[in-house]
Amino acid sequence: QKEVEQDPGPLSVPEGAIVSLNCTYSNSAFQYFMWYRQYSRKGPELLMYTYSSGNKEDGRFTAQVDKSSKYISLFIRDSQPSDSATYLCAMKASGAGSYQLTFGKGTKLSVIP
Amino acid sequence: GAVVSQHPSWVICKSGTSVKIECRSLDFQATTMFWYRQFPKQSLMLMATSNEGSKATYEQGVEKDKFLINHASLTLSTLTVTSAHPEDSSFYICSARDPAQGLYGYTFGSGTRLTVV
Repeated sequence: QKEVEQDPGPLSVPEGAIVSLNCTYSNSAFQYFMWYRQYSRKGPELLMYTYSSGNKEDGRFTAQVDKSSKYISLFIRDSQPSDSATYLCAMKASGAGSYQLTFGKGTKLSVIP
Repeated sequence: GAVVSQHPSWVICKSGTSVKIECRSLDFQATTMFWYRQFPKQSLMLMATSNEGSKATYEQGVEKDKFLINHASLTLSTLTVTSAHPEDSSFYICSARDPAQGLYGYTFGSGTRLTVV
């Protein structure tokens, strides 16, 4: 079992739809959770980050963490064609010197006008 | 915001030659930099972690003699693919950690598409 599982998609939705992206993980040491957006042939850019279980909202984006289920989600409301990209979840363990990020495979999202 | 410049963005080289990829943090000092490799439809695979002034720590299965990493200053890390072969063709991405940004301060370069012919 991989440490982080993410459905690679691809996922295609009409403009304005609500998108739900998910990752599951097996390592209980993961305490910090991030979502990155990666456009084609570009490096990932940080979209959202969370620490504790619960929801965090930023504009049209909501990140959700359920540590008891080892499950994280990213919701995109009112999706736009500009949201078309690959979304990667990433996680990091706590502890001094724990700098490495573990990534999911990424979900490729296409928002159709 | 923090910016990481990576170049070249793409390179084609002949089999057996070496290629150097540079990763620079433009407006912050990166004590730690990471090099990743990404295959199509795959996740970012960490190759190595480098700390300024010390030897890089390579992940299991990554040949350190083939992928030479140098982190000579707080703003520059280089990855040299030595004696490149077609199987080394991939997308290489660097990331720099900015301690001033806290636990989530990882900034990625735009990546380098390497094609070995």
